Amino acid sequence: AQTVTQSQPEMSVQEAETVTLSCTYDTSESDYYLFWYKQPPSRQMILVIRQEAYKQQNATENRFSVNFQKAAKSFSLKISDSQLGDAAMYFCAYRSAGIVVYRDDKIIFGKGTRLHILP
Amino acid sequence: DGGITQSPKYLFRKEGQNVTLSCEQNLNHDAMYWYRQDPGQGLRLIYYSQIVNDFQKGDIAEGYSVSREKKESFPLTVTSAQKNPTAFYLCASKDSEAFFGQGTRLTVV
Repeated sequence: AQTVTQSQPEMSVQEAETVTLSCTYDTSESDYYLFWYKQPPSRQMILVIRQEAYKQQNATENRFSVNFQKAAKSFSLKISDSQLGDAAMYFCAYRSAGIVVYRDDKIIFGKGTRLHILP
Repeated sequence: DGGITQSPKYLFRKEGQNVTLSCEQNLNHDAMYWYRQDPGQGLRLIYYSQIVNDFQKGDIAEGYSVSREKKESFPLTVTSAQKNPTAFYLCASKDSEAFFGQGTRLTVV
């Protein structure tokens, strides 16, 4: 079974600085998707960034980028120029890709990292 | 606007009662999911459904039930057998990525 581990329950960063959130996962599959979701105080889950495992290039969305290390099964999120609005819970998630038995098509989440932005 | 609607936003239940949480989507997604969120636990999968009239238990299905009679709807019933139902519940639907509703906060009083 696949697992997702976020080892940092909480982190803090000074406004305008850069912070990296860690995520590791375990799988025997070769084809999958990885995601970072943000959950602000409103509790609405928002997709931040996604990475397809077959792509070697790291995904980037404005100030958000990932460091995807497939062999190490690592998927960290870097937030550059941190802003007060970035304060939230961040969840790393895994989903199988390709042809799968439909009943096994789950999205698995880590326990989250709460990010504080210091003014 | 396309999206996922959960209702109600807040729900109070007396001990021993069943309650049903609503989840409706107009994104034409086949797959729908229910997650429970507790502090420090992340999102834990309760039930999921890939097609109408079929669903599977997730990791914490005990004390919950679901139905999938229509593609758009995936209601979750929290039964009296659920020993600790107070939590935040999130519904999602998926094509290549998950889209979430705004959640329901259930409190047992």
